[in-house]
Amino acid sequence: EVQLVQSGAEVKKPGESLKISCKGFGFNFSNYWIGWVRQMPGKGLEWMGLITPRNSDVRYSPSFEGQVTISADTSTTTAYLQWGSLKASDTATYFCARQGDYVLDSWGQGTLVTVSS
Amino acid sequence: QSALTQPASVSGSPGQSITISCTGTSSDVGRYNSVSWYQQQPGKAPLFIMYAVTRRPSGITNRFSGSKSGNTASLTISGLQPEDEADYYCCSYTTGDRWVFGGGTRLTVL
Repeated sequence: EVQLVQSGAEVKKPGESLKISCKGFGFNFSNYWIGWVRQMPGKGLEWMGLITPRNSDVRYSPSFEGQVTISADTSTTTAYLQWGSLKASDTATYFCARQGDYVLDSWGQGTLVTVSS
Repeated sequence: QSALTQPASVSGSPGQSITISCTGTSSDVGRYNSVSWYQQQPGKAPLFIMYAVTRRPSGITNRFSGSKSGNTASLTISGLQPEDEADYYCCSYTTGDRWVFGGGTRLTVL
C-alpha cells in the first residue's frame, strides 16, 4: 500500500528555522515526483513545488521560490520541506503528495505548522 | 502563475446534478490534458477523484465526470448525495514542470 507519513505538528517563533518530513512507503520512492502543498487556515490548496528524489531536481512555484527549500533522501525514502526563517504568515498545514501520471495520487496526512511569538 | 478560477460555492439538492468550472489559460488548462480534481472533507487530506481531465481512479463513483473545453475544465457530479458535500479543487500541469491549483469550490448539498 502506498503511504506518505509526515512528521508531527510544530509550534515555532518568528525567525526560527524548521524542517518537516514526509516518508514514503510501498512504492519506488526514487522514481516519483514528490510535491508539497500549502493550505493556510480556512483557505485553499497552493502548489509549492516538487522534487525528483532520483536526481534531486526541484521545481518551485514562483510564489515560493526563495522562501522554502525542498530536498529528499532516497536512502531513507524521505522528502523534506524547510524554512530558514519562519514568519507568522507561514502558519499553515503542509501536505506532501506523490505525483504520478500528472496527478497527486497519494497524500500525506498533513503537518500543521504554527508560527507565533 | 495565477491560480485557476473556480466558483467559490455551488449547491444542489440530493439527486440533482451540479457542475464546477475551472478556468485557466492557454499555458495550463488549455495546453495540457493534465487537469485533475480533488475532494477535501473538513480536517482531511485531499483525495483525487479525477485525472487526465476525464479519467476516474478506481474506487471513485461514476457519478463524477470530467470534461474540458478550451481553457475551462469542468467537474460534474450527478445524483448528488449528502456525502458529496466537501471542498473541490482543480489542478493543472503548467509549463516548466509546475502545477497550479484552483481556488477551490465549496459544495453544499441542500
